[in-house]
This record gives sequence, structure tokens and C-alpha cells, in this order.
Amino acid sequence: DGGITQSPKYLFRKEGQNVTLSCEQNLNHDAMYWYRQDPGQGLRLIYYSQIVNDFQKGDIAEGYSVSREKKESFPLTVTSAQKNPTAFYLCASSDPGNTIYFGEGSWLTVV
Amino acid sequence: AQSVAQPEDQVNVAEGNPLTVKCTYSVSGNPYLFWYVQYPNRGLQFLLKYITGDNLVKGSYGFEAEFNKSQTSFHLKKPSALVSDSALYFCAVRDDSSYKLIFGSGTRLLVRP
Repeated sequence: DGGITQSPKYLFRKEGQNVTLSCEQNLNHDAMYWYRQDPGQGLRLIYYSQIVNDFQKGDIAEGYSVSREKKESFPLTVTSAQKNPTAFYLCASSDPGNTIYFGEGSWLTVV
Repeated sequence: AQSVAQPEDQVNVAEGNPLTVKCTYSVSGNPYLFWYVQYPNRGLQFLLKYITGDNLVKGSYGFEAEFNKSQTSFHLKKPSALVSDSALYFCAVRDDSSYKLIFGSGTRLLVRP
């Protein structure tokens, strides 16, 4: 099936740890995105990438990092500098018509 | 700057009745508008989009949206609501400079039996 796969679904982070959320797509889309969603809230853009080996900061990039070494993959690292990382993280990609398609999301909790 | 507003945090409707979820937008050029639905603990699912053409756009699951340029609105509608339509709905507009989507704050739809 074509789509966007995020893993893990649930992740727990200890204080001071870096953690990485995986995002893989087989839709052959150039553009990929990471959003953060807090409970009952809307979406906020963390990072986006229009093409391989290039990415831009979104509205809330502090404390996060990304890489885009392959077209299919756009992993997000939540660093220890992110002081309030507990949230639902959504990866997405968009087709040439700018329609965005989302993965199923990953829950990150600080313990 | 582009923006969208969803003025209602929650919409309540009885099953079988028509539903409307409101969205207004602000853009500097031609609007590219989208609706998405999110079920609990899931990602967002694309419902429909307006780029150009007919003002009434038909989408998935029996939903449609009416584009109104004079009122700068893009309201989501369905003639007969189902309990399974209960979810969080997001309106979005494309940013002309970066081509990324800007999302509204979301409207929770509750359809009671």
C-alpha cells in the first residue's frame, strides 16, 4: 500500500535524552513536513523539506532537528533542548497539487 | 499573510440533519483551500480541496464545501450527518510564498444519535 509510515506509535523520553521519530513515504513525493499537535489544539509546523538534502524551519523549530538524505525518509530528532516535548507528532508529504497526506502520528511522552 | 479562521470550537448536530462547519480565509492571491478530518489518535485525512472552477466542491464520505469569494468563506457541509462523522475538522489554506499549508484551529463536530 502507498502511504506514510511513522514509527514508533508511542515513545517515552527521559529528561536530557534525544529521541528520533521515523517517517517513511512511498508516494514519491518531493515535499515532506513535520507537525506538532498538542491535545485539543491545532497543528504547528516544525520543519519542512521541499527536496532531498534541503529543509527549512517552520514556526516552532527550536529544540528539533531533521535530515533529508533520501527522498523517502524525513526523520525528526527531538533534542534535550526542547523543554516541553510531550505531544502528538505528525509527518506528512504533499503531491504536486499541494495536497498534504498524513501519517498516523507518534505520541511522545516525557517520563 | 495567508490565514484561515474556524470560528466555532464545536458544532453539535443530530444524526440525519444537515451539518455545516465554518471556515473563513484571508489570502493575497487566488486561494487554494482544503478540508481535513481527524479521528481520535489518528493522522489527518484529506476530504476535499478548492483550487479553481465550480464553487461547490465534492469530496470524500459525502462531504462538500462551498467556496464564496465575496464572503471569503469555504464552509464544509453534508446533507445528512452520521454519528460516525463525529471528529475534529480542520480547514487549511496554501501559503503562496512557501506552498506549505496553514491550518485553522479545528472544529470538533459531535453528531448525536
